[in-house]
Amino acid sequence: GDSVTQMEGPVTLSEEAFLTINCTYTATGYPSLFWYVQYPGEGLQLLLKATKADDKGSNKGFEATYRKETTSFHLEKGSVQVSDSAVYFCALFRNSGNTPLVFGKGTRLSVIA
Amino acid sequence: KAGVTQTPRYLIKTRGQQVTLSCSPISGHRSVSWYQQTPGQGLQFLFEYFSETQRNKGNFPGRFSGRQFSNSRSEMNVSTLELGDSALYLCASSLAGDSNEQFFGPGTRLTVL
Repeated sequence: GDSVTQMEGPVTLSEEAFLTINCTYTATGYPSLFWYVQYPGEGLQLLLKATKADDKGSNKGFEATYRKETTSFHLEKGSVQVSDSAVYFCALFRNSGNTPLVFGKGTRLSVIA
Repeated sequence: KAGVTQTPRYLIKTRGQQVTLSCSPISGHRSVSWYQQTPGQGLQFLFEYFSETQRNKGNFPGRFSGRQFSNSRSEMNVSTLELGDSALYLCASSLAGDSNEQFFGPGTRLTVL
């Protein structure tokens, strides 16, 4: 079945450091890919998405490129801030058929000043 | 536009009891999905309702049930609570069942003692 694998955390970075959170997926067909973020005590917020190969999703300085050849959707940010501390989830949605979002296990990011 | 709301935000129950959680989707959204989030299992899909019909169901026992009303509001019920049911229960809504863009509520934190 469909699955998403994320790098395990926690990830601890200093402010202004470069961030990469790896995400790879297994799915039939051509799924849409997402990054969600969950701040402490809150639900999930959609951070960015990409719906086809080579698409780049971007938002709030975060970027991820849909790489079909490597089945990856790694999240990057050039300079993290303390306010980016949260849990990040990679997810996929298979566009054919009524299937739910499939999430990775999440990666906790802590940014220290 | 108001976001997805969930009530109550926090709930404490004892083993064997039952509980009902409520979710009000974004106005105009007809699809509501429920997820269980635990530290060990991550985010797991429970079920999805669209136009008052259950359209998709995850791999949970029959103690977990749900329904959707004509105004798209949804409830989920867990009967005969077990300690392992302690979790954050998240509701997400989307337009016309297009799971490509799901909007999450803040969740209900259920603790079973």
